[in-house]
Amino acid sequence: DTAVSQTPKYLVTQMGNDKSIKCEQNLGHDTMYWYKQDSKKFLKIMFSYNNKELIINETVPNRFSPKSPDKAHLNLHINSLELGDSAVYFCASSQDRRGVGNTIYFGEGSWLTVV
Amino acid sequence: GQNIDQPTEMTATEGAIVQINCTYQTSGFNGLFWYQQHAGEAPTFLSYNVLDGLEEKGRFSSFLSRSKGYSYLLLKELQMKDSASYLCAVRDNTNAGKSTFGDGTTLTVKP
Repeated sequence: DTAVSQTPKYLVTQMGNDKSIKCEQNLGHDTMYWYKQDSKKFLKIMFSYNNKELIINETVPNRFSPKSPDKAHLNLHINSLELGDSAVYFCASSQDRRGVGNTIYFGEGSWLTVV
Repeated sequence: GQNIDQPTEMTATEGAIVQINCTYQTSGFNGLFWYQQHAGEAPTFLSYNVLDGLEEKGRFSSFLSRSKGYSYLLLKELQMKDSASYLCAVRDNTNAGKSTFGDGTTLTVKP
């Protein structure tokens, strides 16, 4: 039933580790996103893919690498984790990039804590 | 680029009406969204405006003036469950259709 699902929901890891967050959407949407929400609740876009093609790549350290094996999946791999990477990472999708079809549907979020 | 401003916090009383404002500057405008986010949860879609005027949806309404770079979200008959953060998001007119979010307005509804 879940429209946009991401795992894990909670992740506590040590500095320097590498971790991945997986995301899947069953809405048939063409576009998927990764957003980061920090402790001050600011929600910032990191990446966007449309039909497996990268279309938005904000100024994000190259330790963050998204991968989209198909249009229903967008995973996020993070290398050499740093304390400042602690945040909530939201996967999201939208039907397309036009009009109200650009309404964004968010997953439940992955709470990452780097210690 | 895009710049979006909203008040950081607002407080209102149960049963009352509250208006949350959002002003924006953008190099290319192609729609404005309002999202609601309860603490510890994901943002959820509330409303969409692309033309000037008022869009009404139950207790919630959203207004847009493109010439003024201004929108507001109006919440009527406030309920305790309306306590949440309200995020204004502006989409640009590039092919990527990027939506940039404001920093959110935390609304507290008191009895």
